[in-house]
Amino acid sequence: TQLLEQSPQFLSIQEGENLTVYCNSSSVFSSLQWYRQEPGEGPVLLVTVVTGGEVKKLKRLTFQFGDARKDSSLHITAAQPGDTGLYLCARNYGGSQGNLIFGKGTKLSVKP
Amino acid sequence: DSGVTQTPKHLITATGQRVTLRCSPRSGDLSVYWYQQSLDQGLQFLIQYYNGEERAKGNILERFSAQQFPDLHSELNLSSLELGDSALYFCASSRRPHTGSDTQYFGPGTRLTVL
Repeated sequence: TQLLEQSPQFLSIQEGENLTVYCNSSSVFSSLQWYRQEPGEGPVLLVTVVTGGEVKKLKRLTFQFGDARKDSSLHITAAQPGDTGLYLCARNYGGSQGNLIFGKGTKLSVKP
Repeated sequence: DSGVTQTPKHLITATGQRVTLRCSPRSGDLSVYWYQQSLDQGLQFLIQYYNGEERAKGNILERFSAQQFPDLHSELNLSSLELGDSALYFCASSRRPHTGSDTQYFGPGTRLTVL
């Protein structure tokens, strides 16, 4: 099983700051997904990146897939308290199996 | 609201006991996945069913079993419970048997506490 390493593990910032979190693997993967999980809820899909070098934007969130498709980053501009949560990256197991393999996540706290 | 429902929301039980967690997938979704989330291991895949048939197995203990019924709801049975089984258990559903570009929708989870 190819692991997904996420960093940092924890991040506590003030409202209005920018931040970047990372997801890295030693293996190439065909696509990568980013999820956000709020306390007491299940993960919610934010974006799927497929092409090496791809950049996708979702309001103040910018997702990038590395050229070699081994890493990805999530950048948040002007963070708000509503961005607080656990950010997880995930990849498909592959083949005929549909399950996801998750990184351990970055726990983000944005203080007002 | 993802459309995936899970019951119960919370479950407190004792070591050695057996519990059943229930999941109803989104309308039209044929595939159901079970995941376990703990502080040390993160979110880990347990088992997948597609249209009533077991499709894939992950790190699921022999004390755990699951099934998917004709109406597509699924149950995860956990027996001979140990303290280490305390975790959040999530169900997810998708339309097709393998994700690819298909989205998995997660339920709100069941928090299991074993005392």
